Amino acid sequence: GIQVEQSPPDLILQEGANSTLRCNFSDSVNNLQWFHQNPWGQLINLFYIPSGTKQNGRLSATTVATERYSLLYISSSQTTDSGVYFCAGNAGKSTFGDGTTLTVKP
Amino acid sequence: DTGVSQNPRHKITKRGQNVTFRCDPISEHNRLYWYRQTLGQGPEFLTYFQNEAQLEKSRLLSDRFSAERPKGSFSTLEIQRTEQGDSAMYLCASRMGDTEAFFGQGTRLTVV
Repeated sequence: GIQVEQSPPDLILQEGANSTLRCNFSDSVNNLQWFHQNPWGQLINLFYIPSGTKQNGRLSATTVATERYSLLYISSSQTTDSGVYFCAGNAGKSTFGDGTTLTVKP
Repeated sequence: DTGVSQNPRHKITKRGQNVTFRCDPISEHNRLYWYRQTLGQGPEFLTYFQNEAQLEKSRLLSDRFSAERPKGSFSTLEIQRTEQGDSAMYLCASRMGDTEAFFGQGTRLTVV
């Protein structure tokens, strides 16, 4: 099956800093999603991005499907951005990486 | 439509007991997925349905686990003779075809 690698595994930032999270896939996927897992465990949809670039406020994402990777950008980070970020590639079922744990300090 | 709904949110059970979880997908979604997530890991695929047909099962799904989706609507996941290793968050997701998936709040199972 498809392998999903996320980097970095952990990231600590000062409030206001920018960050880039990366997701690599071992094989082609039909589409790709980014999620933020809230403290209660629910996966919140951030982006559905099979290819190209999308922006939503301080967050943006880029997927280069031909090179099998996706990037999530967080600008001007806030403490509320803290948590675990997952990417998932879909080839029938969604395969998740192990996540990036982001801590934003005030 | 309020999204994917899972019940119960939390379940504590004694080892050896059976438990059943329910997932109500977004109404027009034909695909429904079950995942399991343990601490520090990403969600792991268990099984999925297209309408009422169970199309794929992970080898993680031992013979103590069974899932159903009668009439292609809600789904249930049953674990028989629970073990401490079954303690995890069980997540349900739904989608229409191969499009964006939406997840429920999850059911956190603790086996004591």
